[in-house]
Parts: sequence; structure tokens; C-alpha cells
Amino acid sequence: AAGVIQSPRHLIKEKRETATLKCYPIPRHDTVYWYQQGPGQDPQFLISFYEKMQSDKGSIPDRFSAQQFSDYHSELNMSSLELGDSALYFCASSTRQGVGNTIYFGEGSWLTVV
Amino acid sequence: GQNIDQPTEMTATEGAIVQINCTYQTSGFNGLFWYQQHAGEAPTFLSYNVLDGLEEKGRFSSFLSRSKGYSYLLLKELQMKDSASYLCAVRDIYNFNKFYFGSGTKLNVKP
Repeated sequence: AAGVIQSPRHLIKEKRETATLKCYPIPRHDTVYWYQQGPGQDPQFLISFYEKMQSDKGSIPDRFSAQQFSDYHSELNMSSLELGDSALYFCASSTRQGVGNTIYFGEGSWLTVV
Repeated sequence: GQNIDQPTEMTATEGAIVQINCTYQTSGFNGLFWYQQHAGEAPTFLSYNVLDGLEEKGRFSSFLSRSKGYSYLLLKELQMKDSASYLCAVRDIYNFNKFYFGSGTKLNVKP
């Protein structure tokens, strides 16, 4: 079965640079989530989109922005990168249809800021 | 808001049974989920409870008591590959999108 696809899988950037992560949700999933997971930490919710509209906002820094496009893929844009932004960034998707729908995670994008 | 508590780390022996507990306090409960996460990999969905009781899925079972704000994940016939972090997550009824994750329990399975 198709899963959540994230790209790139690994990214190295310097401080103050900009990075863009992409996410392609599972087909027919209408909701996309972005999570940030630092070393040894649990996933922290950043932002989510439902039907291409921002539906919820978590601990996303002002330097970050995201959007969901007409084909439901989403991009997370990170500017003025800081060393503390180094983390594993997960995208996840789900559907609101039905009961008990869970979210499924992509394999993550490793961002290293040097 | 949400407050989810899990033990930080547990150790068990191959072939044994281990129970990982999760307690939560939530303003709006709409389901409890268990995920398994190996280091550096994505969390993978294990089980889901929204009603009280036990859900069994092969070697894994999950139990929920909504009145007590309590769940556990039971792993039977432990295998070395079960060494991973196990995340408890609660879904917010007031925001159908948001999942709140606990800090995870790191399970070490020893021979």
C-alpha cells in the first residue's frame, strides 16, 4: 500500500540558510501534519492542514511556514536556520472520514544545521 | 490541554511479557493510540482504543479505561526486534486533527 512520502531524506544546511521539506500524503488522505522530533524527544506538533487550509498550529517557529497544495502535497519552509533546528521532521497524513482513523507517518527528513 | 505520562524506560527478557502503562489527562478524549518507533525511524501504528476494554492484535494488545484515564500496551513473547520506543498518543475531541504524544517508553529486550 502507498505510504507517506517525504523528501529529501537527509539535508545539511548552514546557519541562516533556508530549507524546504516536501510531503506527499497517502492517496485520499485529506489531512497533513508536520512534527519535529529532536534527539531523544517525543514528536512535537508543528502544524496541520485539512483540505488545503491550515487547521491547527502547534509549536512552529515564526521562521517556519507551510502550505498544502491542490494535489494535497505539503511543503515546510524553514528560514534563518539555527543549530537547534537540527532534528528529524516527520510528515503524517490521515483522513477525517470514518471512525478511529489514525495517522500514518512518513519516514522523516533528517535536517542537520551546521 | 493534555498531560500524558509513560515510564521512561523498561527492560524485559526475550520470550517474556511486558506491560507499558500510559496515563492521560485530557480536556477532550477521542481515542488513544500506540505507536512503535525504532531509533531514527518513523513511528508505526500499533493499536487504537476509543472504547473501554482490550484490543488484541497478534502479540500486541492494548487496554483502555476512560474513567481512569489509563491505558496499557501488552507485548507477549518478546523478541529482540521489539526493542524500541513505544509512544502513547491521545486524540483531542475538540480538535479532530491533533494528536498529543507522550514522551515514549524505551523498551530494552535482553536475551
